[in-house]
Parts: sequence; structure tokens; C-alpha cells
Amino acid sequence: QKEVEQDPGPLSVPEGAIVSLNCTYSNSAFQYFMWYRQYSRKGPELLMYTYSSGNKEDGRFTAQVDKSSKYISLFIRDSQPSDSATYLCAMHSNDYKLSFGAGTTVTVRA
Amino acid sequence: KAGVTQTPRYLIKTRGQQVTLSCSPISGHRSVSWYQQTPGQGLQFLFEYFSETQRNKGNFPGRFSGRQFSNSRSEMNVSTLELGDSALYLCASSFGGGGEKLFFGSGTQLSVL
Repeated sequence: QKEVEQDPGPLSVPEGAIVSLNCTYSNSAFQYFMWYRQYSRKGPELLMYTYSSGNKEDGRFTAQVDKSSKYISLFIRDSQPSDSATYLCAMHSNDYKLSFGAGTTVTVRA
Repeated sequence: KAGVTQTPRYLIKTRGQQVTLSCSPISGHRSVSWYQQTPGQGLQFLFEYFSETQRNKGNFPGRFSGRQFSNSRSEMNVSTLELGDSALYLCASSFGGGGEKLFFGSGTQLSVL
């Protein structure tokens, strides 16, 4: 079993819809949680970073962390075609070795 | 502020050759990590350097090696290339303290023929 499991997708949604992305993890040592967006042939771009349970909002993006359930989510409100990309959850403990989910490819249809 | 810079952007090599990839971190960042990304395995951690010392290592064979210079720039070397080494190699940098945000470069796309 992988340390980080991510809903595989792909997801296709109409413009303006809410996109919901989810990951679960098994390593209780993970303390820091990130969401990255990756466009084709580009490196991952950091979207959200959090280290505590609860919600964190940044513009149209909301990250949720539930450490008791080992579950994290990313919500994208009012999705735009420019949000079409692969989204990766990532997490680490106090080392610097990020463990990634497999990624979910999202397409927002105009 | 300049981001993480990786060179070259693309490389084509043949089996048995060796290759060196370069990474310049964000100014002030002292930690550099390397990742391999393939369609089948996703993103996998190779190693991490901080102040010229390897601080953490993933589960890759010894053909994969790296180093970091005093200016925090890092290089990764792969010897005796195999077809399965074809991948996007990504470098990430951070300040190097605890609980860091990692920022990635655009990667080097390596094709082994």
C-alpha cells in the first residue's frame, strides 16, 4: 500500500463548478501538507501549504486537513479553464522527503 | 525573485552513457532536493542536500548520485543509463529548516534511447 493515496480521476467539470480533490495517507508522522498544480511539461507549482488540521483559504482555493482521519482535500471554487491541470497532494514529516499522491488530472470545460 | 532554474531543459542520451543535470535554487535557499517523475511511478524522491551534505536519500540505485556546491547549486549524475531512466527530473529548493515549503523548477526531460 502506498503511503499517499489520491483519488485517480480524471475529472471533467463545467466552468464555474466546484472541484473537489482528495488524498488519504497512512504515515502519522506526516506533519506538513501541500497541494501542487502541474501543467504539462512543467514542474509542480505550490498552491497551498498547511501544517495543522482545519481549513485554509486562499482566493478560490481551500485546503482541508483532518489529521485524525489522515485525510486532506483541496476545493477549487468558480473553476476556470485555466485551472485545467494535474493536481498533486504532497506531505512530509520533519525530514525533507516529500511523499506525493499520483495526481488527479482536472479539465474545466468552457 | 528568480525561481529554481534547471538546465538543460531536454536531453537525449543512449543506453550506457552518463548524464549530469544542474539545478540553481532560489536565492537564499540552502536545501536542494531531486525527484524523478514518470507516468507509471509518479514523483519519487531521489535525495536531498543541505550545506553540501546529503541529508536524506530515497530508494534509487547507486548509479544516481548528486552533490551540492558552496553556493547551494546542485548537480545530479546518472551513470550507465538504462531505458527506464527516461523521466522528468525535478529539482526543488527550500530554506532548509523544519516544515519547509518546497519550490520546484521546470525539470529536465531525459530520454534514453
